[in-house]
Amino acid sequence: DVVMTQTPVSLSVSLGGQVSISCRSSQSLVHNNGNTYLSWYLQKPGQSPQLLIYKVSNRFSGISDRFSGSGSGTDFTLKISRVEPDDLGVYYCGQGTQYPTFGAGTKLELK
Amino acid sequence: EVQLVESGGGLVQPGASLKLSCVASGFTFSDYWMSWVRQTPGKTMEWIGDIKYDGSYTNYAPSLKNRFTISRDNAKSTLYLQMSNVRSEDTATYYCTRAGTDYFDYWGQGVMVTVSS
Repeated sequence: DVVMTQTPVSLSVSLGGQVSISCRSSQSLVHNNGNTYLSWYLQKPGQSPQLLIYKVSNRFSGISDRFSGSGSGTDFTLKISRVEPDDLGVYYCGQGTQYPTFGAGTKLELK
Repeated sequence: EVQLVESGGGLVQPGASLKLSCVASGFTFSDYWMSWVRQTPGKTMEWIGDIKYDGSYTNYAPSLKNRFTISRDNAKSTLYLQMSNVRSEDTATYYCTRAGTDYFDYWGQGVMVTVSS
């Protein structure tokens, strides 16, 4: 299994601030076809997860440009700028290069 | 608007079987791979498996391969998850998702399954 390790476990932020969430995989996520299948999801309280970012840095339809993804190989980062109340919840990274696995989540809360 | 609506969950005894359904709308169901993902009460997310758009191929998480079966009926735009010999550790919220293994772009609202005697 590819183990996904997210840090930190929780994060406090002021509205309008910026945060970064780290995700590290136990193996390289570069697929044989050259793509890197690392994605980010947000689960708001009481809701299903929603896709934010796919293939490391591609924003899904309708996702604000305040969300950006970066990284390569085994180290990846989600950055959220100008944090808004609707951004609060638990963020998960996931990989699809091998059979899919997810990180344990990072809870974003208001300071 | 893409919608995925799961049903069939509830309280089930250990060792029993249960079949979950997911009705899709708002897109051409037969064009997409579909997956099931579950989330435990502790919020751990686990991919269960997926099925090719025409139903001809399935993949499963190795730990679940022998007890769970994914199928689909494209005429009914419906995805299924057959669970057999359920265990307490199968207690979770089960999500139907669109797309294959590389990422999951739409998720249903989830259906809860509780395994307990």
